[in-house]
Amino acid sequence: GAGVSQSPRYKVAKRGQDVALRCDPISGHVSLFWYQQALGQGPEFLTYFQNEAQLDKSGLPSDRFFAERPEGSVSTLKIQRTQQEDSAVYLCASSLKGTGVPHEQFFGPGTRLTVL
Amino acid sequence: GQNIDQPTEMTATEGAIVQINCTYQTSGFNGLFWYQQHAGEAPTFLSYNVLDGLEEKGRFSSFLSRSKGYSYLLLKELQMKDSASYLCAVLDSNYQLIWGAGTKLIIKP
Repeated sequence: GAGVSQSPRYKVAKRGQDVALRCDPISGHVSLFWYQQALGQGPEFLTYFQNEAQLDKSGLPSDRFFAERPEGSVSTLKIQRTQQEDSAVYLCASSLKGTGVPHEQFFGPGTRLTVL
Repeated sequence: GQNIDQPTEMTATEGAIVQINCTYQTSGFNGLFWYQQHAGEAPTFLSYNVLDGLEEKGRFSSFLSRSKGYSYLLLKELQMKDSASYLCAVLDSNYQLIWGAGTKLIIKP
């Protein structure tokens, strides 16, 4: 399909386990965003890439969270030593333009992470 | 700090009109977005306002007043499929989207 895809859709992890969440943005989209969404809340910004450059990671809650987009397309969000408070839906969004140009973001279906 | 306020939940009747309000206080303003999010699904884009006034798109309209830090989303001829959460988000001076918590809209027959 032509939309943003994320995998896995659901992930259950034991506390202390490392997880990796994948995002495939729309082909040609310059910007890629990661958000964390708790139940009944709006998305909270985690980090932003323009092509392969991570321009803003101010929203990452701790140094256990790491994101990369090495070739400017697919991105991976890694969470090390997961904690129960990491349980949330992780949304990825992509946008055609780079920073400084308001443009709608297209969201993937999200990965629902549950940490036991 | 940055703040986006919208009602937590609203109820309306099928076929009626509903207005969902959003007020914001952000560091800078580069536009306001409305997104629709069905339960368990991704947010989908509805509208973008950067100038004052009303933007109409089919059954949905969005209004912005920058001086008041206020926007509303107007939904007409409500259908059952409009039951969803409606998220207001402001693009701040860093071109980062600041999101409200969303308004859960319940449509009753």
